Formats: sequence, C-alpha cells, structure tokens
Amino acid sequence: DIQMTQSPSTLSASVGDRVTITCRASQSIGDWLAWYQQKPGKAPKLLIYKASSLESGVPSRFSGSGSGTEFTLTISSLQPDDFATYYCQQYNSYSWTFGQGTNVEVK
Amino acid sequence: QVQLVESGGGVVQPGGSLRLSCAASGFTFSSYGMHWVRQAPGKGLEWLTFIWSDARNSYYVDSVKGRFTISRDNSKNTLYLQMNSLRAEDTAVYYCAKTLPATGAIDFWGQGTLVTVSS
Repeated sequence: DIQMTQSPSTLSASVGDRVTITCRASQSIGDWLAWYQQKPGKAPKLLIYKASSLESGVPSRFSGSGSGTEFTLTISSLQPDDFATYYCQQYNSYSWTFGQGTNVEVK
Repeated sequence: QVQLVESGGGVVQPGGSLRLSCAASGFTFSSYGMHWVRQAPGKGLEWLTFIWSDARNSYYVDSVKGRFTISRDNSKNTLYLQMNSLRAEDTAVYYCAKTLPATGAIDFWGQGTLVTVSS
C-alpha cells in the first residue's frame, strides 16, 4: 500500500503569510494527488485535484504542485478563513490513502 | 445542488452489526462511483471502500475487508455500508462521498454519521 506523509503536522502562521505544506508518497503516483481542507465538525472540502488543478469555487490563493512522490500545497496569502486542517490524498489502482493532516493554526 | 445525507449511525456493542445509508440527490447518482471514508475522534481521514457506478466492482482497505460491504441501489439513489464484526477501533464519523471522475479525487461529502462501538 502507498503511504502518504505530510509535513509539518502543525504549522503556526499569521494572516498574510505564505504557507507551504508538503506531502510525500512512498512510491510514485504520477499526478494522482488531491488536497482537502477540513474545519472542526465539518466534512472535508476539495481544494486541488490532479496535483495542480484548482477545484471550481476555490480561491486562487490556493495552488498545488508536484508529481511522482513529492507534492506541495501553497496558500499565497493566508486569510482568516484558512485556519483549518489540510489533508493530501493519493489514488492508485483503486486504492486511496490520506496523509495524516496538517493543522494550520494562528501564530 | 449535490446533497449526500448519511443515516444509520449509533451505538453498537463490539461484535455487532450496523448498516449505514447515504441518500444522494442533485446529481445523476447512477453515473458516479462512490466512497465511504471515516474519521475516528480527533484523528485523520481513512478511506474505506469504493464502488463503481454500476456496482460491478468494489474495493476495500485491508482493515475492513471481509467485515464491511459497500452496495448501492441506483433506483433509490442510495449508497449503503453494511458493517459486521464491529470493533472499538471502528468508532468514527462515517462519510459517504462522491468521486470526481478521472481524477482520483472526492468532490462532495456528506455531513457524516457517528458510529460508536462500545459495551
């Protein structure tokens, strides 16, 4: 099974900061990588699919990059609504795996 | 708009069974593969199972293989998860979710239903 490792687990940041979260796959997954945002008590929300495609309605300050085994989610200028937990997720041969999550908290 | 509404959660004893349902609306249910994903209290997301749009094939994570069964009734726009031999570690919020075709991603999630396995 493919394992996904996110870093950092917790990130302390301020409004306006540029934030980068990294996700590493235990083997190459091409660009089959998605990113989600989750707030407490709520379902996850899709932000990015196919590593770099922005989901409809998601602000352009969110961007994704990478391929193979290393991927990044970048928030260009952190907004108050962006404090949340972020998960990466891979897809390979009818198996899906999430990273352990990155909590973006107020510095 | 897309809606996914889970039901059937509750408290069950270890070794017991439970069937979750997910009522779908706002899209052509029979055209999309569907997932179940769970989240234990204070923990991350765990993908459990996926079923093709026509139900011909389904796939499971090892931790639930042989205990959980995903199914669907396209005439009723409903997804199911039959859970048997439940364990304490199955305690979680269970989400049904819709696949975004040809991407490997999940684009809509239900609000979740809580399953608690406890004596």
